[in-house]
Amino acid sequence: EAQVTQNPRYLITVTGKKLTVTCSQNMNHEYMSWYRQDPGLGLRQIYYSMNVEVTDKGDVPEGYKVSRKEKRNFPLILESPSPNQTSLYFCASSSLVNEQFFGPGTRLTVL
Amino acid sequence: KQEVTQIPAALSVPEGENLVLNCSFTDSAIYNLQWFRQDPGKGLTSLLLIQSSQREQTSGRLNASLDKSSGRSTLYIAASQPGDSATYLCAVDDNFNKFYFGSGTKLNVKP
Repeated sequence: EAQVTQNPRYLITVTGKKLTVTCSQNMNHEYMSWYRQDPGLGLRQIYYSMNVEVTDKGDVPEGYKVSRKEKRNFPLILESPSPNQTSLYFCASSSLVNEQFFGPGTRLTVL
Repeated sequence: KQEVTQIPAALSVPEGENLVLNCSFTDSAIYNLQWFRQDPGKGLTSLLLIQSSQREQTSGRLNASLDKSSGRSTLYIAASQPGDSATYLCAVDDNFNKFYFGSGTKLNVKP
């Protein structure tokens, strides 16, 4: 089944404790992206990647890092999480015509 | 910077009614526009993708139109059903591999 998977689905952590949210797709898509969704602000793009070793900033990249060492994986790294990064995070991958397919989401709470 | 607006923010209709959801965007230089459905606590499900050269796309009871010059798209849902209740989001691809989302229209279809 074609899909985008994310782990973990739920995470509660404390300020400053480094964490990684994994994202994997099995559709051989070159383009992958991370979003955060907040009430009243909608979905905002954090980072995206056009291909392996190629990443670029979206609208809200501060406080986040990404890497793309393999085509199928695009992890999101929070080196020192803060409470304002509490949010619902989505990973997506895109086909050649840029049709996006989303993962199930990761709900992150930073205390 | 591209801004995407969806009106109305919420809509409640009786079952069987035909309805129209609106999406507007400020920069007409888009690559494509995509409509999604999001159920509470879940990820986004792609409904329709309209490429910039197209005027409309249809899937079952759904029809999406695109007028690039006026910066508008509509999602028409025919014969609405309670199972259509969800939040509907539109997103535009800005031709530079960035995506911008509207805040969504929350639809409630009453039995």
